[in-house]
Amino acid sequence: GESVGLHLPTLSVQEGDNSIINCAYSNSASDYFIWYKQESGKGPQFIIDIRSNMDKRQGQRVTVLLNKTVKHLSLQIAATQPGDSAVYFCAEKGTGGFKTIFGAGTRLFVKA
Amino acid sequence: DGGITQSPKYLFRKEGQNVTLSCEQNLNHDAMYWYRQDPGQGLRLIYYSQIVNDFQKGDIAEGYSVSREKKESFPLTVTSAQKNPTAFYLCASSDRDLRTSGANVLTFGAGSRLTVL
Repeated sequence: GESVGLHLPTLSVQEGDNSIINCAYSNSASDYFIWYKQESGKGPQFIIDIRSNMDKRQGQRVTVLLNKTVKHLSLQIAATQPGDSAVYFCAEKGTGGFKTIFGAGTRLFVKA
Repeated sequence: DGGITQSPKYLFRKEGQNVTLSCEQNLNHDAMYWYRQDPGQGLRLIYYSQIVNDFQKGDIAEGYSVSREKKESFPLTVTSAQKNPTAFYLCASSDRDLRTSGANVLTFGAGSRLTVL
């Protein structure tokens, strides 16, 4: 079946350093991947997405890398700030059309 | 501003009671979803609706019911048949963008936290 998982449940980084959050997926037919950020007590917010025909996509301070060979994607956050502290979810668009499948999430702590 | 409004933000329920969580969107999105979030876990899909008067079960629909009588509204009822209803419930919507196949960005509400006493 489809599943999306994360390598680490928590990540602690120093303010100003770069953060890398990893994610593994199992469905090689998935064609679309998304990263969401969820702050405490709030709903997830879209950060960046990538289609399966791309290897890399950059946004403002964020980059998503997709390695289809090993079914792995990562979210890189440059110059991590305290406001980046949150839980980050990777998600894939499942074969059910409108269904989005979420991983368990990684909690990012930013140390001042 | 466009967005999704969930209410109530916090809800307490006694065992055996049904409760209904409200979800309203003014984004003119076709599709709406309900997810359940438990501590340390990802979001699990309860129900989704692609169009008015139509909805489909997600992965954990047992003990829940929904309706989609209006495009803007997608209420979720947590029935007494749900064995472990204490959780954080998230409503979301998405624009069915047929021009960009594969894309499905979800816009979420702020969530409703249900606690069964």
